[in-house]
Amino acid sequence: QSVLTQSPSVSAAPGQEVTIACSGSSSNIGNNHVSWYQHFPGTAPKLLIYDNDKRPSGIPHRFSGSKSGTSATLVITGLQTGDEADYYCGTWDNSPSGGVVFGGGTKVTVV
Amino acid sequence: EVQLVESGGGLVQPGRSLRLSCTTSGFIFGDYAMSWFRQAPGRGLEWLGFIRSNAFDGTTDYAASLQGRFTISRDDSKGIAYLQMSSVTTDDTAVYFCSKVYYDYIGGIPSWFDSWGQGTLVTVSS
Repeated sequence: QSVLTQSPSVSAAPGQEVTIACSGSSSNIGNNHVSWYQHFPGTAPKLLIYDNDKRPSGIPHRFSGSKSGTSATLVITGLQTGDEADYYCGTWDNSPSGGVVFGGGTKVTVV
Repeated sequence: EVQLVESGGGLVQPGRSLRLSCTTSGFIFGDYAMSWFRQAPGRGLEWLGFIRSNAFDGTTDYAASLQGRFTISRDDSKGIAYLQMSSVTTDDTAVYFCSKVYYDYIGGIPSWFDSWGQGTLVTVSS
């Protein structure tokens, strides 16, 4: 059971938009920045979004992040077949047994 | 180009120990905190712990779930971070990743993980 909650999967056609939600609490998302990671199985995870809504150099503008209260969202516009991967949100949890916490991951399928 | 390469994985018997290495290049290793993660079969990413740079005493924080079985260390002269695993169980079977950390020195927490290795597989089985 992950501390942050993500839907297990989402799908859309090429060119469309998908939204991946990440729900937490005041001990994590509510008081810390969120980052998002793209992971193709068998490869290195890649940082997509940091500080809730910032893109590292080289990440297309099709990927955007936001945060409101205890939830965060990753939006992928202009979906491409190459976007088919697992996406994870992560943040720090301030509770005594906290630390870095992730969502369970959302599998994006391009149909 | 920043590169991280994990090594040291393999088959290990329950109760034994194993040390993983994360060999880095392309950045000034000593300036950065480093972190370890794992992904068990069919599951998501799990944070294991991180080690601060020696400018901040190279101190470590770990996931509470590890109950002190894992230790992270670093050798700045070689650009390598280590994960020492002890008393392993079948639940430790996973792909293990290391990452470079962007560390919030004011808040004292890792903010994000900007470069990762491809991982090394650890299989715990008798």
